Amino acid sequence: DQQVKQNSPSLSVQEGRISILNCDYTNSMFDYFLWYKKYPAEGPTFLISISSIKDKNEDGRFTVFLNKSAKHLSLHIVPSQPGDSAVYFCAASLYSGTYKYIFGTGTRLKVLA
Amino acid sequence: EPEVTQTPSHQVTQMGQEVILRCVPISNHLYFYWYRQILGQKVEFLVSFYNNEISEKSEIFDDQFSVERPDGSNFTLKIRSTKLEDSAMYFCASSEALGTSGTSTDTQYFGPGTRLTVL
Repeated sequence: DQQVKQNSPSLSVQEGRISILNCDYTNSMFDYFLWYKKYPAEGPTFLISISSIKDKNEDGRFTVFLNKSAKHLSLHIVPSQPGDSAVYFCAASLYSGTYKYIFGTGTRLKVLA
Repeated sequence: EPEVTQTPSHQVTQMGQEVILRCVPISNHLYFYWYRQILGQKVEFLVSFYNNEISEKSEIFDDQFSVERPDGSNFTLKIRSTKLEDSAMYFCASSEALGTSGTSTDTQYFGPGTRLTVL
């Protein structure tokens, strides 16, 4: 099941620069997309989401962009901080009685001081 | 800030034994979920639960698994006879409501997880 893919397993960025994390999906029925951040031995922490009717959503340093025609989602973090170092998962929501989430494999972001 | 809690943080059990993983969802949430993550793999959906019944379950959620909301606050996942391949992190999540498609009330908030080790 490869409906949600994060092709970059890791990313290193200098503190203060922009981090761009990417996510591709295959199912055009997905209607809600989310980014979660995860530290080791902790649960996924919700970061930001976007409905399929929008193409951008911003919350402080975090912006999510959705390109439905390309079935592509990205998370921009500006400026990146060392505390942002974590694994980032994108998730897509599919309604089938309830909204189950389908997760990507994650991208490990390392922000270098 | 309200959060989902899970106990225990780590459970070690022998193959064939029953385990119960416990979760306390956020208090005003109505929809409850279990996910798991085998080491090095994706977070995978197991089951969703609403109004005291299962709404949807994945193919992973076979007859060995069951869920229950025994009282107004706890939500449990039981594995009747554990197998080695059940070793994973198990995450509980809850959401406020379904709302309309793709609204913020659909957002699922996750607990810290229970690491299950089957020997």
